[in-house]
Amino acid sequence: KAGVTQTPRYLIKTRGQQVTLSCSPISGHRSVSWYQQTPGQGLQFLFEYFSETQRNKGNFPGRFSGRQFSNSRSEMNVSTLELGDSALYLCASSLGQVNSPLHFGNGTRLTVT
Amino acid sequence: QQQVKQSPQSLIVQKGGISIINCAYENTAFDYFPWYQQFPGKGPALLIAIRPDVSEKKEGRFTISFNKSAKQFSLHIMDSQPGDSATYFCAANFGNEKLTFGTGTRLTIIP
Repeated sequence: KAGVTQTPRYLIKTRGQQVTLSCSPISGHRSVSWYQQTPGQGLQFLFEYFSETQRNKGNFPGRFSGRQFSNSRSEMNVSTLELGDSALYLCASSLGQVNSPLHFGNGTRLTVT
Repeated sequence: QQQVKQSPQSLIVQKGGISIINCAYENTAFDYFPWYQQFPGKGPALLIAIRPDVSEKKEGRFTISFNKSAKQFSLHIMDSQPGDSATYFCAANFGNEKLTFGTGTRLTIIP
């Protein structure tokens, strides 16, 4: 079974631009969660989508948004990029049931200059 | 608000020794406590998980100890090996709520 696939692996953007990250979950998984990982803050939850609906949301500004398609693939968008948005963005899929383990992709490394 | 506090931030253990990582939580509603292991360049992967109805769970060389009254849980790695060198994250949640992670422990096993 293929794992979680995130594209692209690396991105370099300029402050003020916007960016879209993509995540393909494991086949059969209906939940996709996004996390931001930085050395100082660890893994910070952005949002979770389940069956195309946002089910949980973290404490990030509205510049961070996401969506999920009918095939469970998900995209995350960050508008008006700031230097502090530089991080590893991780996507995780699961069956979406209580205590379902999260299966993480290898992330997209975003650098904002 | 950090709901899961993890310590130490980094840990160096000799090969064959016991590695111990501790976590404390605040939300008494939490009822699921997994540990994730992350190697450089990879995403975190589930290592072992426990629910509060048991005080200990063991899988191979990895053991979770859980103390509900103290709101603490810990990961013990017995007979630590160089291949165990990685970053470890504790986490907690309840129901279908988001999984809240600790800040991570970078473990290095030296020969």
